[in-house]
Amino acid sequence: AQKVTQAQTEISVVEKEDVTLDCVYETRDTTYYLFWYKQPPSGELVFLIRRNSFDEQNEISGRYSWNFQKSTSSFNFTITASQVVDSAVYFCALKGGGSGNTGKLIFGQGTTLQVKP
Amino acid sequence: EPEVTQTPSHQVTQMGQEVILRCVPISNHLYFYWYRQILGQKVEFLVSFYNNEISEKSEIFDDQFSVERPDGSNFTLKIRSTKLEDSAMYFCASMWRQNNEQFFGPGTRLTVL
Repeated sequence: AQKVTQAQTEISVVEKEDVTLDCVYETRDTTYYLFWYKQPPSGELVFLIRRNSFDEQNEISGRYSWNFQKSTSSFNFTITASQVVDSAVYFCALKGGGSGNTGKLIFGQGTTLQVKP
Repeated sequence: EPEVTQTPSHQVTQMGQEVILRCVPISNHLYFYWYRQILGQKVEFLVSFYNNEISEKSEIFDDQFSVERPDGSNFTLKIRSTKLEDSAMYFCASMWRQNNEQFFGPGTRLTVL
């Protein structure tokens, strides 16, 4: 069975602090994909990043960075120098990649990030 | 930039009534999905649709639910007889290829009274 766990329900930081959102996943697929989505207060789901299971390179995009470690089945997300506009719910998601997979996303419970001025 | 659109943004209905939620996926995408999110909870998969048929459905997607792609652009979710527990945000998503990301519409908030 596939599962995504985001153990941090809520995180509160002060602006300019760095913050890391944890994501741990379970899957039996040898090929799979990991994602992060942002859900701001307005409610939409905004795609942030996709990671393939065969590519363990970490990625940086501006103030965002992602650390993918297959050995610990983790795909953590760090925001550097957080800003108030980063306040949102962040979801980690998993998709199987083997034959027979339909592409459905399995989401974690989400982490609510509050960045205070 | 192409985007997924959904209508209506908010629908209020009485228990037992039928509702149809509409989505227009990104035009060259081939895979279509419905998810729901009960307030304050995680996003849950309902159904996937490819090549004009359902490819997978979750336990939530019982006989009261159906999906259709009546023409080349719309993708609809019908709930035949709504229950109070169907109140949620319903998201449509589309994807071009299997190894790509899904893009989500803005959601339809369904309130069943």
